[in-house]
Amino acid sequence: GAVVSQHPSWVICKSGTSVKIECRSLDFQATTMFWYRQFPKQSLMLMATSNEGSKATYEQGVEKDKFLINHASLTLSTLTVTSAHPEDSSFYICSATRAPDTQYFGPGTRLTVL
Amino acid sequence: GQQLNQSPQSMFIQEGEDVSMNCTSSSIFNTWLWYKQDPGEGPVLLIALYKAGELTSNGRLTAQFGITRKDSFLNISASIPSDVGIYFCAGSQTGANNLFFGTGTRLTVIP
Repeated sequence: GAVVSQHPSWVICKSGTSVKIECRSLDFQATTMFWYRQFPKQSLMLMATSNEGSKATYEQGVEKDKFLINHASLTLSTLTVTSAHPEDSSFYICSATRAPDTQYFGPGTRLTVL
Repeated sequence: GQQLNQSPQSMFIQEGEDVSMNCTSSSIFNTWLWYKQDPGEGPVLLIALYKAGELTSNGRLTAQFGITRKDSFLNISASIPSDVGIYFCAGSQTGANNLFFGTGTRLTVIP
C-alpha cells in the first residue's frame, strides 16, 4: 500500500512561535501533496495544494504568509505555521496523490498553541 | 466548493448488524472514494471507485458508484467493534488532485 508519514504527530508551542510540520510519501513519489485542516467533529478542509518545484496553490481564505508550504522533493512537503496563535490550534493532515487517482493521507499532526 | 452530503450523520448499531451509509451530490463526480478515520488519526482509504455503476468489495465492505454519478453507497456487513470511527466519502471531478469531502458518518458499534 501507499504510506504517508507526518512529523511530528503532536506539538505544543507558545503563541508567536513558528512550527514546521513535515509530510513524506515513504514508498512512492508524489508530484502533488495536499494540506488539510480538521476541527473537532468536522470534515477535512483543504488548505492548499503543494506541487513539487513550484508555488503552492492556496484555497480561498487561507493566508499564504501564515501557512508557508514548501515541496522540495517528490517525497517531502512541509507546512510552517508562522507566528502561531491559539486559533491556529487544530489537527493538520497531509495527503499525497498516487496514480491513478487516489489520495493517501498521513496520520495527522495535532497542534496546540498556548 | 462542492457539497457532499452524507447520511446518516451518526449511527449506533449492535455488533453483528449490517451498516449502510450514503453520499450524495448535486454535481457529477468521476471518482468516489471512501475513507475511515479513527480518533487522532488521518483518514485511511477503504475503497476507490472509478466507474459509474461499479461495485467493489474490500472484505466486509462493499461500495458502489451510483449510475447517475451523483451518489455512492458504502455497506459494512456483520459489524465488529473495530468498525467504530468516522467514515468519509470523497468525490473528484478532475482526478485525485481535487477531492471534495462529505460531512462524515460517525459509527458506533455496541458489543
